[in-house]
Amino acid sequence: ETGVTQTPRHLVMGMTNKKSLKCEQHLGHNAMYWYKQSAKKPLELMFVYSLEERVENNSVPSRFSPECPNSSHLFLHLHTLQPEDSALYLCASSQDVRGNSPLHFGNGTRLTVT
Amino acid sequence: GENVEQHPSTLSVQEGDSAVIKCTYSDSASNYFPWYKQELGKGPQLIIDIRSNVGEKKDQRIAVTLNKTAKHFSLHITETQPEDSAVYFCAAFNQAGTALIFGKGTTLSVSS
Repeated sequence: ETGVTQTPRHLVMGMTNKKSLKCEQHLGHNAMYWYKQSAKKPLELMFVYSLEERVENNSVPSRFSPECPNSSHLFLHLHTLQPEDSALYLCASSQDVRGNSPLHFGNGTRLTVT
Repeated sequence: GENVEQHPSTLSVQEGDSAVIKCTYSDSASNYFPWYKQELGKGPQLIIDIRSNVGEKKDQRIAVTLNKTAKHFSLHITETQPEDSAVYFCAAFNQAGTALIFGKGTTLSVSS
């Protein structure tokens, strides 16, 4: 049982839909992350939050909108997506954003854009 | 920005053999190097990590070595078992020190 829970596990959406991905961590961590995992590509960092403040936005298109209402919850709001956005979206948390704090990942949301 | 190169992309071994995966990184300021294992349908799980003040770390059948001068680090798995079959990722922190940058992954297949 992972300490980071992501819902839903699978999501199929049309290009005109609006949906949200949810992540919750039960580890008492202060930092949360969104990563995108596509076939044949390395995990791509999307957003980093530390104590609910966004500290990094890795040149992600505005059709992806993150929200961090508190240190335990992280959302990724999706709208007007493209088929190439189909991927596994992984949430992670760490004790803090210092450069030696392990990341703990959830099992991801498999997103398919039709 | 930080760049992490990982080799090989695929590795097939017989049960009981050893497996070695190598990574290089670009930012000399990086001081933390984790390895993750990802099984089908799951997120990456941390299996071992090393900090720059040591050159080697072992945990049962898994070991990691670090050469800061050459900026490379390696994962060694001894006495491989079928359950070791998975995708393995190395990582290093980005220049800002705020997030991990991952290698492209190595698909390890252990046949019995």
